[in-house]
Amino acid sequence: DVVMTQSPLSLPVTLGQPASISCRSSQSLVHSDGNTYLNWFQQRPGQSPRRLIYKVSNRDSGVPDRFSGSGSGTDFTLKISRVEAEDVGVYYCMQGTHWPWAFGQGTKVEIK
Amino acid sequence: EVQLVESGGGLVQPGRSLRLSCTASGFTFGDYAMSWVRQAPGKGLEWVGFIRSKAYGGTTEYAASVKGRFTISRDDSKSIAYLQMNSLKTEDTAVYYCVVVITYWGQGTLVTVSS
Repeated sequence: DVVMTQSPLSLPVTLGQPASISCRSSQSLVHSDGNTYLNWFQQRPGQSPRRLIYKVSNRDSGVPDRFSGSGSGTDFTLKISRVEAEDVGVYYCMQGTHWPWAFGQGTKVEIK
Repeated sequence: EVQLVESGGGLVQPGRSLRLSCTASGFTFGDYAMSWVRQAPGKGLEWVGFIRSKAYGGTTEYAASVKGRFTISRDDSKSIAYLQMNSLKTEDTAVYYCVVVITYWGQGTLVTVSS
């Protein structure tokens, strides 16, 4: 099974400053159809997860452009260009290339 | 607007069964695979499994942790997906989410397995 490893697991950030979360997979996430099914989710306290990014770098509808995704193969990154108070929560990467699909452990973003 | 509403959660003893339902609206239910994801209290997310649409055979996939105990089914005429959970264990305690196209999530229903 593919293992997803995120770092850091805790990320204190200052409002208005950038933040970056790394996600590594134990094997390539390139599907036989040529796509890379790497997603990023945000889970605010007390809420259901919300997908932010799909196929590495595509923002879902309504997601602010301060969120961006990048990477390839086994190494991926979620960046927040300027953290806002509403960004507090836990962020998960998730691979949908190989079954069983798998989430990373989660990165808790909090305001300093 | 896509809506997914889970129901059927509650307190159940180890070894017993429970069936969760996910009632969907706002999209053509029969065209899409339906998934279940769970989250133990204070923990991360785990895919439980999914059922493909009839166009793709309506077949299912399960996580190793639930295979042989959980069954996912669907009733396209009612726009409902089900998660039948048998031989429940304390480690199955979690909020169970219904998910479609990975994008849309329900609010979740809590299942507590305890004596």
